[in-house]
Amino acid sequence: DAGITQSPRHKVTETGTPVTLRCHQTENHRYMYWYRQDPGHGLRLIHYSYGVKDTDKGEVSDGYSVSRSKTEDFLLTLESATSSQTSVYFCAISESPGFTQPQHFGDGTRLSIL
Amino acid sequence: AQKITQTQPGMFVQEKEAVTLDCTYDTSDPSYGLFWYKQPSSGEMIFLIYQGSYDQQNATEGRYSLNFQKARKSANLVISASQLGDSAMYFCAIEGGGADGLTFGKGTHLIIQP
Repeated sequence: DAGITQSPRHKVTETGTPVTLRCHQTENHRYMYWYRQDPGHGLRLIHYSYGVKDTDKGEVSDGYSVSRSKTEDFLLTLESATSSQTSVYFCAISESPGFTQPQHFGDGTRLSIL
Repeated sequence: AQKITQTQPGMFVQEKEAVTLDCTYDTSDPSYGLFWYKQPSSGEMIFLIYQGSYDQQNATEGRYSLNFQKARKSANLVISASQLGDSAMYFCAIEGGGADGLTFGKGTHLIIQP
């Protein structure tokens, strides 16, 4: 199994509070991704990174920011959480551009915003 | 932009039968990768099989094969000799040459009956 650890695995918080989710990998892969999964939508890309300090927006990036100061860590921040951000969040990594290699996923973080 | 359509929200199949899960895609990229993932009730995303747009032969991985018909823009997953443990959500996904993350379909919920 790919060495991907997401933390926390579960979190409940209140509207308006900041939240940071962490993705840590031990594979030294260049590419890292954050997705959210909601019923009826499959997974949707939030942000991705193609190297240290190199990040870009995905399909559903509004309300989220990311940072990658080390190869192994990719942080997702909700500056002021809203109930619409209640979701399951998945981190993924890949060794090379995804259209030639599969992405491998962490076990997910279940986030509830009350 | 890419799009994935999975037209079977749910399927019931008898154990030991073969299963075909449908996936059609749309992309303007000449280079792309097609992927299938399995998500059991425990929630993790498990990579099953990959097909590159320039691959001449259909991909196979054990009991999984991908029926790739490029002209029809379809990438159906075939599971031979289904087992009870195959019961899960199955997602088809695509990534284009921009290496900017996966686009997922909404998934098919497969239930294998004894």
